[in-house]
Amino acid sequence: GAVVSQHPSWVICKSGTSVKIECRSLDFQATTMFWYRQFPKQSLMLMATSNEGSKATYEQGVEKDKFLINHASLTLSTLTVTSAHPEDSSFYICSASPDYYGYTFGSGTRLTVV
Amino acid sequence: RKEVEQDPGPFNVPEGATVAFNCTYSNSASQSFFWYRQDCRKEPKLLMSVYSSGNEDGRFTAQLNRASQYISLLIRDSKLSDSATYLCVVRGNQFYFGTGTSLTVIP
Repeated sequence: GAVVSQHPSWVICKSGTSVKIECRSLDFQATTMFWYRQFPKQSLMLMATSNEGSKATYEQGVEKDKFLINHASLTLSTLTVTSAHPEDSSFYICSASPDYYGYTFGSGTRLTVV
Repeated sequence: RKEVEQDPGPFNVPEGATVAFNCTYSNSASQSFFWYRQDCRKEPKLLMSVYSSGNEDGRFTAQLNRASQYISLLIRDSKLSDSATYLCVVRGNQFYFGTGTSLTVIP
């Protein structure tokens, strides 16, 4: 089946630093990938839609200058959390749809900002 | 109004029990429906798609009611390993997730 690989699985960083998270589709091409954030005991919340070769589309309330998305190839999207703060600590998950009926998630990245 | 609404639970049921979850959606033009399972600190994984005719996979039965705009998931003979959060997902112009329903199966 379709596999989406996400790295790193977890990261701890100091406040003010930047963190890059990678999302790769391993056996299919993804012109579109999605980035979600999930706080404890809450549902997945869509942050942005990553589009290969063009700018990402951000959801209302998500700072595009803080959460930089790059989708330079059909198999790789990256999310960079710039100048991270403790309130950015969360579970970040990427996903892609290999076909109309499927929706595959990466394994997620648990970010802790101290 | 949220696109997808679920009862967050928690549902605490004994082993062997039958439990049902419902999920309502607001957009009548929604096209695809899914149930995902999410274990603690893990990514959601597809449990089953939901078809208009209803579908069954072992102990799990999913149904769609387009007239009332809800989907349901029935779990029979609950196992301890069924303990997880079950997410309802509806696809319109994008995927919309419910908040998830927490299930704990008790020995």
